[in-house]
Amino acid sequence: GQQVMQIPQYQHVQEGEDFTTYCNSSTTLSNIQWYKQRPGGHPVFLIQLVKSGEVKKQKRLTFQFGEAKKNSSLHITATQTTDVGTYFCAGLIRSGSARQLTFGSGTQLTVLP
Amino acid sequence: DTEVTQTPKHLVMGMTNKKSLKCEQHMGHRAMYWYKQKAKKPPELMFVYSYEKLSINESVPSRFSPECPNSSLLNLHLHALQPEDSALYLCASSQDPSGIWNEQFFGPGTRLTVL
Repeated sequence: GQQVMQIPQYQHVQEGEDFTTYCNSSTTLSNIQWYKQRPGGHPVFLIQLVKSGEVKKQKRLTFQFGEAKKNSSLHITATQTTDVGTYFCAGLIRSGSARQLTFGSGTQLTVLP
Repeated sequence: DTEVTQTPKHLVMGMTNKKSLKCEQHMGHRAMYWYKQKAKKPPELMFVYSYEKLSINESVPSRFSPECPNSSLLNLHLHALQPEDSALYLCASSQDPSGIWNEQFFGPGTRLTVL
């Protein structure tokens, strides 16, 4: 079936280092959302990207949506221990007349102090 | 109030039990969702309710039975579950009934263990 792939699965960084997670789809996405889930917590919405080539920033976080609307990335500059968690992309995929939000496999980020 | 609440937080049940999970939101959202999440995996969509009507059922076994009594409440009735059904069950809501153009607000989840 249609899938949204995300890499890497795990990432360990030293505090202050940068971090990037990538999201890829085999089909064109209507939009893409990013969520963060802290250990033991629930997913929390970060941002939504809709337009081809769109770039949005939230403080140290930069989100990009590819020109073909098939890929996206989340980049964190100068990670902090508060960035620990699993980051999920969620792509909206058209299936016939319906559209389905499909979560990527997630990237679990560990930040070492 | 921008919160989705879920009860109970934890539930342990036997394979012959009948139990229910409850979810509530007072944000006026017209779409509500049930997800199942296994450890270290992404949330898997189970059901979508749009304007209190079931709009998506992702081929979920009949031992899971959703119910939407009104626009603020969502239940998930459980019966004759299997140990492999043990997981975190997340409820979510969104303003847009198609769930497309708006963020989904997730509840804290119910951690279910089936013995």
